[in-house]
Amino acid sequence: AQSVTQLGSHVSVSEGALVLLRCNYSSSVPPYLFWYVQYPNQGLQLLLKYTSAATLVKGINGFEAEFKKSETSFHLTKPSAHMSDAAEYFCAVSEGLTGGGNKLTFGTGTQLKVEL
Amino acid sequence: EAGVAQSPRYKIIEKRQSVAFWCNPISGHATLYWYQQILGQGPKLLIQFQNNGVVDDSQLPKDRFSAERLKGVDSTLKIQPAKLEDSAVYLCASSLDTSGANVLTFGAGSRLTVL
Repeated sequence: AQSVTQLGSHVSVSEGALVLLRCNYSSSVPPYLFWYVQYPNQGLQLLLKYTSAATLVKGINGFEAEFKKSETSFHLTKPSAHMSDAAEYFCAVSEGLTGGGNKLTFGTGTQLKVEL
Repeated sequence: EAGVAQSPRYKIIEKRQSVAFWCNPISGHATLYWYQQILGQGPKLLIQFQNNGVVDDSQLPKDRFSAERLKGVDSTLKIQPAKLEDSAVYLCASSLDTSGANVLTFGAGSRLTVL
């Protein structure tokens, strides 16, 4: 079975500050990992994905995440927060190469607030 | 390309009534998913289709929920009878196939309120 833990249901940063959203996963097989963003009253939009190539993954809107197998982590970062980054962020895991398909198991989400 | 279409966007019903949600995936996407997102939680998979066959419905409350994808394109999710705890956003997603690297594309969701 696989699972995702997102530490911090709410994170607040100042505009221009570093954004760090934490995600730890549990998987008995090599995972594929994803970050999605959800704006109010909208569906989920893919930010980036890790599929066993480079461990540092760059996504849209200046976000990136690093896969660390030893720490079972896939934290999301952005060097400088913008007001438009305010949204809810979800980390998700799928079973990757094992043929388990691409059903996603999501974390509980982190609401990012950006203050002036 | 056109995205995943869902309707209705909002629905308010009383408990014990029935409701149906419709989803049209991205053209050419063989795999379709229904997720339930309760306020304050991450989306939870209800059912996954590959073409018109069910791949996984282990989390679907089959005593009240049903879903179909008869022609392998559009899908309908039905709840009958609804309970208060069914209040949630129902998200439809699609992907090319079940390969783990394939990205799921989500629709805007259908928000259900059960009174």
